[in-house]
Amino acid sequence: DAGITQSPRHKVTETGTPVTLRCHQTENHRYMYWYRQDPGHGLRLIHYSYGVKDTDKGEVSDGYSVSRSKTEDFLLTLESATSSQTSVYFCAISGRQGGNEQFFGPGTRLTVL
Amino acid sequence: QQQVKQSPQSLIVQKGGISIINCAYENTAFDYFPWYQQFPGKGPALLIAIRPDVSEKKEGRFTISFNKSAKQFSLHIMDSQPGDSATYFCAATKVIGSRLTFGEGTQLTVNP
Repeated sequence: DAGITQSPRHKVTETGTPVTLRCHQTENHRYMYWYRQDPGHGLRLIHYSYGVKDTDKGEVSDGYSVSRSKTEDFLLTLESATSSQTSVYFCAISGRQGGNEQFFGPGTRLTVL
Repeated sequence: QQQVKQSPQSLIVQKGGISIINCAYENTAFDYFPWYQQFPGKGPALLIAIRPDVSEKKEGRFTISFNKSAKQFSLHIMDSQPGDSATYFCAATKVIGSRLTFGEGTQLTVNP
């Protein structure tokens, strides 16, 4: 998985609980992304980062926040989880050699009860 | 402007047959069109990609055909094998580091 790890890999939580997902890379890529994957919707971008402390919203950012204090770590936070946020979350990285290719992590399956 | 439409949603092919998945886009600023392959429980992985300055790109059994005027591109898998059974996503983006816009995905099943 191109030096990308995600933690946790699985999580079950209750509505209203804060949740933080972590993406860690060892490849020194500049860009990092958080996607969610749902049946019938493909992969939808939540937030992305183009450098340390530089982030921007994607198409489905409501209810999510992110932080990137180091090149290697990109955190996704659900401030108050809702059942509609039950999904599989993927982190991706790109840009080390100036290319477009995005490399994806193994994913985190989140269930909000 | 940002949408990428993918069809079919699911596809069943016999071993040795040709699998064809189609995508259409709206934004003429897109200049990089990758295809990703995803196996169950795994993250998507880049399969093959094309830029609009060529009409076709082939890598082994996988070929992308690109029609700039129609704003369409397709993935052809020749001599499909059961090991090709996976979900395939087309995508498009504008510049390096820019967000990818994904199609909805096609679940391919290749029967032995």
